[in-house]
Amino acid sequence: KQEVTQIPAALSVPEGENLVLNCSFTDSAIYNLQWFRQDPGKGLTSLLLIQSSQREQTSGRLNASLDKSSGRSTLYIAASQPGDSATYLCAVRGATNKLIFGTGTLLAVQP
Amino acid sequence: EAGVAQSPRYKIIEKRQSVAFWCNPISGHATLYWYQQILGQGPKLLIQFQNNGVVDDSQLPKDRFSAERLKGVDSTLKIQPAKLEDSAVYLCASSLVPAGTEAFFGQGTRLTVV
Repeated sequence: KQEVTQIPAALSVPEGENLVLNCSFTDSAIYNLQWFRQDPGKGLTSLLLIQSSQREQTSGRLNASLDKSSGRSTLYIAASQPGDSATYLCAVRGATNKLIFGTGTLLAVQP
Repeated sequence: EAGVAQSPRYKIIEKRQSVAFWCNPISGHATLYWYQQILGQGPKLLIQFQNNGVVDDSQLPKDRFSAERLKGVDSTLKIQPAKLEDSAVYLCASSLVPAGTEAFFGQGTRLTVV
């Protein structure tokens, strides 16, 4: 059974810092991994999708990496801004298209 | 491209009452998911459809929850009777059939059971 864990559960940083969020999964037989952002009271916004054959994906100040063999992914946020404050979720997709989520990291960027 | 539509956005009911949520996925997306997200936790998959067939409903509490997807498009999720612990956000998502594609989520329905 696939289990997804995110560390840390919560993070507070001053504006301008670079930061790394971690995601680990127990079954390496995945098709892809997706990072989402969730603002309070809102749905999920897709940030980055990494296919199992890829090592990383970049979008603006965001960079996500994937090491399938070790069951790990990281989301790197450069030059953080108060507007980045949100909950960040990772999710892995397996053979049946089932999407399993981690517990999330609550990020607060202090101005 | 229109996104995933869900309604209602908010619902407050008393325990033992029934409630239904509606989801309209992105046009052409054969896979549809319903998730339950309890405050402070990650989303938990309740049921996954491919077209109008169920792929996975292993975590759906079938004694009180039911879901259907008519004609492989819109879907409804029903709870009858509701319990206090059903208070959560119910999220609907859709994706194309191949497992390598991106999933898109609706805004969710926040259910409060009092």
